[in-house]
Amino acid sequence: DAGVIQSPRHEVTEMGQEVTLRCKPISGHDYLFWYRQTMMRGLELLIYFNNNVPIDDSGMPEDRFSAKMPNASFSTLKIQPSEPRDSAVYFCASSPRRGRGGETQYFGPGTRLLVL
Amino acid sequence: KQEVTQIPAALSVPEGENLVLNCSFTDSAIYNLQWFRQDPGKGLTSLLLIQSSQREQTSGRLNASLDKSSGRSTLYIAASQPGDSATYLCAVNQGAQKLVFGQGTRLTINP
Repeated sequence: DAGVIQSPRHEVTEMGQEVTLRCKPISGHDYLFWYRQTMMRGLELLIYFNNNVPIDDSGMPEDRFSAKMPNASFSTLKIQPSEPRDSAVYFCASSPRRGRGGETQYFGPGTRLLVL
Repeated sequence: KQEVTQIPAALSVPEGENLVLNCSFTDSAIYNLQWFRQDPGKGLTSLLLIQSSQREQTSGRLNASLDKSSGRSTLYIAASQPGDSATYLCAVNQGAQKLVFGQGTRLTINP
């Protein structure tokens, strides 16, 4: 398996523009996670899905952020409008179905976003 | 609110030494704890996962321990190598697959 695939790997945009980040999870995994990593705040969970359904979006910073998972093999994280403070590395991760104890999460390489 | 702390923030040791990385968490009600490795510009790679009922896990030169009651975990690396240089993060799972991460320890192994 190719692992979790994210695109683009790098994105530079101007404040106010819409940004769409894409993720393809590992085939057969039921959970998909979006994280954001910054120097100041470390790695934070933004939202996660189970079987394409959003379960917890309490980490989404504000209404400018939205995430969708239209099918088991694709998810998007959208920022509209983008702001300089959104600059960060955004990771997607997936994990297989497991009991409540959780299972190892497999991370993609990340998208490095810079908003000017 | 769960808080995860990793000490030290950075560590530099000569090749061949054994070393210990520390992780502490404030809420002992966890399902498991995981150690990850992150190389510069890359994603995270899972190293070890310890379920709350377990005391330790081993993989090759790595050994992770968990003392849930005291809110502590350690990652022991034996016979360190330059290829072990990376940032190591611990994360606690409080249920429903939600991970809370520490800030990481940046490890440098000097040849």
